[in-house]
Amino acid sequence: SAVISQKPSRDICQRGTSLTIQCQVDSQVTMMFWYRQQPGQSLTLIATANQGSEATYESGFVIDKFPISRPNLTFSTLTVSNMSPEDSSIYLCSADRGASYGYTFGSGTRLTVV
Amino acid sequence: KQEVTQIPAALSVPEGENLVLNCSFTDSAIYNLQWFRQDPGKGLTSLLLIQSSQREQTSGRLNASLDKSSGRSTLYIAASQPGDSATYLCAVGDTNKLIFGTGTLLAVQP
Repeated sequence: SAVISQKPSRDICQRGTSLTIQCQVDSQVTMMFWYRQQPGQSLTLIATANQGSEATYESGFVIDKFPISRPNLTFSTLTVSNMSPEDSSIYLCSADRGASYGYTFGSGTRLTVV
Repeated sequence: KQEVTQIPAALSVPEGENLVLNCSFTDSAIYNLQWFRQDPGKGLTSLLLIQSSQREQTSGRLNASLDKSSGRSTLYIAASQPGDSATYLCAVGDTNKLIFGTGTLLAVQP
């Protein structure tokens, strides 16, 4: 199955700053996804990123707070902007490998905002 | 709106036991269902993928079943080991996205 390299694996950031998370897939994929997992909770989809078009955001998430880039079929970034302690979570990227393989996930970014 | 629930929320068993994790979903119009494992603070590892037309999938000591009509899936783990300790998540494939369940935290005691 596909390998997704996600970085950084963890970071501690000051409130009011921004952090950009990168994900690199080892093969071309049409759709990539960004999830947030708050402490003790399950995964919530932030947005879907397609190459060549703007990301599609889920209810409760906005582009100004979570801008996403998808410059090609193997790479995507998520920026968490103007961070507050409430943004402390694990952020995960995912790729849809098609009907036969399902979804593959990166190793996650553990973000702590102080 | 699709909702996915997992029972139990937490489970502790002695090593060697066979166990069953349950997943239920409210809308039977799914594309597939995927079971994942998550170790603390880590990403997700895919365990099994069941297509909507399939009834079950097996991988080693793991067996997952799917009953779309009743909105249920089960993950059976045979001869559990301490290394199986993790959170297990089921996720339903909806139109171009996954919808996750609440997770089951499994602890296998040596």
